[in-house]
Amino acid sequence: QVQLVESGGGVVQPGRSLRLSCAASGFTFSSYGMNWVRQAPGKGLEWVAVIWYDGSNTYYVDSVKGRFSISRDNSKNTLYLQMNSLRAEDTALYYCAKDDSSGWYTDGFDVWGQGTMVTVSS
Amino acid sequence: QLVLTQSPSASASLGASVKLTCTLSRGHSSYAIAWHQQQPEKGPRYLMKLYSDGSHNKGDGIPDRFSGSSSGTERYLTISNLQSEDEADYYCQTWGTGIVVFGGGTKLTVL
Repeated sequence: QVQLVESGGGVVQPGRSLRLSCAASGFTFSSYGMNWVRQAPGKGLEWVAVIWYDGSNTYYVDSVKGRFSISRDNSKNTLYLQMNSLRAEDTALYYCAKDDSSGWYTDGFDVWGQGTMVTVSS
Repeated sequence: QLVLTQSPSASASLGASVKLTCTLSRGHSSYAIAWHQQQPEKGPRYLMKLYSDGSHNKGDGIPDRFSGSSSGTERYLTISNLQSEDEADYYCQTWGTGIVVFGGGTKLTVL
């Protein structure tokens, strides 16, 4: 059974850091690109970042460039999102999503996790 | 600029059909999209990938009631024989080199 399970969310003060994890199972994790997507309360989906299957390339939405870093450990079947200099507008439910691509490109998402909530508040 | 536009809301009666629209920005008529469903208080679920020629690949377990079609920059999701569990938000998604874009979502109400 293909599954993605996020963890690491919580309440954090503005300017502080947080690291999210996404544990993958049921598919060959090292063969697929992976993404983070967020959803602010009552709002739509916003793509955050992607990492190629081999970790060779990453891309980010402009609003998190220089503050967030996506990475992966293919030996542990785990995706990460390091979030630094957090702002109130980063408050959202964060989902990891499997890319349908096993190459050096994005090809849509075909598996989603259940999400982990990040609240940035003083 | 790669943009997806969706109507904010739609409604249809139980057992009827509804057609949701996702419009790609000008110049992007060849782009594939994906449709995702988000039921209340749940994470998104992948429905299908839809290509410019109208062909589509559905996710595992997606009922035959869900189908997709295309025309120019328009991508459609048709749901037949509406069920109460189809009441949800529906998002379209597309992608390019180093970018992924979601539409604003359509909230479907089943009457």
